[in-house]
Amino acid sequence: KNEVEQSPQNLTAQEGEFITINCSYSVGISALHWLQQHPGGGIVSLFMLSSGKKKHGRLIATINIQEKHSSLHITASHPRDSAVYICAASMVSGGGADGLTFGKGTHLIIQP
Amino acid sequence: EAQVTQNPRYLITVTGKKLTVTCSQNMNHEYMSWYRQDPGLGLRQIYYSMNVEVTDKGDVPEGYKVSRKEKRNFPLILESPSPNQTSLYFCASKKRLWFYYGYTFGSGTRLTVV
Repeated sequence: KNEVEQSPQNLTAQEGEFITINCSYSVGISALHWLQQHPGGGIVSLFMLSSGKKKHGRLIATINIQEKHSSLHITASHPRDSAVYICAASMVSGGGADGLTFGKGTHLIIQP
Repeated sequence: EAQVTQNPRYLITVTGKKLTVTCSQNMNHEYMSWYRQDPGLGLRQIYYSMNVEVTDKGDVPEGYKVSRKEKRNFPLILESPSPNQTSLYFCASKKRLWFYYGYTFGSGTRLTVV
């Protein structure tokens, strides 16, 4: 079974700072997902990547398959980025089942 | 609007009283799944379904049932709820096997069993 570890667990930063959240996993995967969960609970899928790098606005996600590691970066952080960020490893089994194993999340607070 | 709809959003019930949490998606997705989220434990998969009439257990299936009679609906059934099933529940869907597509999550159901 895959183990997914995230760091840091909690992060408080000032508005405008560059933010990095890290995710490592123990076995090979088919894809790595980054999710965002705002207070109030709803979950939004930010990225799904199996190699390289993806960018959407101020968010950048990278993955290194050899090192089994992914990072989520936020440039020019803003208080509205305050949320819990969750990484999840996707593994497609021989039967086609696509199970998600989740990290415990990083609670990010951006102060004005 | 493409979405996954869960109902109810909040539910307080008593131990042993059967309940159903509904999940419906309008994106013609084959794959649907249920998760529970608990403090300190994160999200864990309860059950998933790869298509109509095809369901299988996730990591924490005990005490839950599911059915997939139609492609759009994937209800979660608690036959005899217990306090340890107090949790935040999420339904999600995606295109089956195409793992290049991301998941769409419902808004969550906060269940309290007293």
